[in-house]
Amino acid sequence: GQNIDQPTEMTATEGAIVQINCTYQTSGFNGLFWYQQHAGEAPTFLSYNVLDGLEEKGRFSSFLSRSKGYSYLLLKELQMKDSASYLCVVNSGGYQKVTFGIGTKLQVIP
Amino acid sequence: DAGVIQSPRHEVTEMGQEVTLRCKPISGHDYLFWYRQTMMRGLELLIYFNNNVPIDDSGMPEDRFSAKMPNASFSTLKIQPSEPRDSAVYFCASSPVVTGGGYGYTFGSGTRLTVV
Repeated sequence: GQNIDQPTEMTATEGAIVQINCTYQTSGFNGLFWYQQHAGEAPTFLSYNVLDGLEEKGRFSSFLSRSKGYSYLLLKELQMKDSASYLCVVNSGGYQKVTFGIGTKLQVIP
Repeated sequence: DAGVIQSPRHEVTEMGQEVTLRCKPISGHDYLFWYRQTMMRGLELLIYFNNNVPIDDSGMPEDRFSAKMPNASFSTLKIQPSEPRDSAVYFCASSPVVTGGGYGYTFGSGTRLTVV
């Protein structure tokens, strides 16, 4: 089975940097994803990490440490539109589907 | 491409009635997934198809739920009879890769189901 932990809620200021952490326990590992979901909308794919290290994509970066079962999503130069839930998603090895975490609800304030 | 298309967007029905949710995946995506999202449990996989064939339906809650994919461009999720605890947002997603890989899953807008 899989267990994914991430904070339920976070608040950050417009223009600042915020880091959303995710820890996971899994019997195998084949990759970790981050999705963004605005209230009342569908999740949208942000990033994918399969090897250790940092993947940068514009204002968003995602980091993975497989040995620690740890990932984070870093959002820079926060904008009001970044207010959303961020879902940590893990694919365990030998299991052809992924498991979504409950998500972290981020509120960006002026 | 128009993306993944789901219908209806909202459905309100009485307990005991049959509910049918519909999905049109992105053309060329071999995998189609049905998810259910609630506040308490987040996104849960119900079933997924590969090339129109159901591969894993272990997430389907019970026999009241059934899903079909008669062709590559259409899938349905049916609940019969519906119960209030089925109230949730149901998402359909498609992908060229079973786990999404570097592409991720593309989700439809979802169907918000309310059973009263």
